[in-house]
Amino acid sequence: EAQVTQNPRYLITVTGKKLTVTCSQNMNHEYMSWYRQDPGLGLRQIYYSMNVEVTDKGDVPEGYKVSRKEKRNFPLILESPSPNQTSLYFCASSKSRARSGANVLTFGAGSRLTVL
Amino acid sequence: AQSVAQPEDQVNVAEGNPLTVKCTYSVSGNPYLFWYVQYPNRGLQFLLKYITGDNLVKGSYGFEAEFNKSQTSFHLKKPSALVSDSALYFCAVRDGGDYKLSFGAGTTVTVRA
Repeated sequence: EAQVTQNPRYLITVTGKKLTVTCSQNMNHEYMSWYRQDPGLGLRQIYYSMNVEVTDKGDVPEGYKVSRKEKRNFPLILESPSPNQTSLYFCASSKSRARSGANVLTFGAGSRLTVL
Repeated sequence: AQSVAQPEDQVNVAEGNPLTVKCTYSVSGNPYLFWYVQYPNRGLQFLLKYITGDNLVKGSYGFEAEFNKSQTSFHLKKPSALVSDSALYFCAVRDGGDYKLSFGAGTTVTVRA
């Protein structure tokens, strides 16, 4: 089944304790992206990747890191989490290296993170 | 800069009645418009998109949306709502061929039996 898989789905952690949220897709998609969803704000893009070893900042990159060493994986790293990073996180991917506005995103099921 | 507005936080309708979820957008180039739906504890799912052509776009689960360039709107509609349509709906826009996709804040739809 074509899908985007995120882990963990739920996590409670404490301020300052490094964590990684993994994201993997099995569709051979070039483009991958991380979003956070907060009430009243919709989805805001954190980072995105056009292809392996190519990443760029989205709208809210502060406090996050990403890497794209393999095409299928795009982990989100919180080096020193803070309470304002408590949120619902989504990974998404789409095909085509070319800039195509018509591409549809496939989303993971989400990872709910709580930072105490 | 591109942006999307969903003016209603919540929409409540009775089952069998028409459902409309409003969306307006702002872009500098040609808009590529999308609707996604999020069911509880699930990721977002694609419903439909407008790229070019016919202003009325048909999508999944009986939904359709009408692109109105003069009003810069892309409202989502369903002629007869079902209880199972209760979910969070997001409108999104891309400016031309850009990869960046901007989402609205979302509209919670509740369909009562």
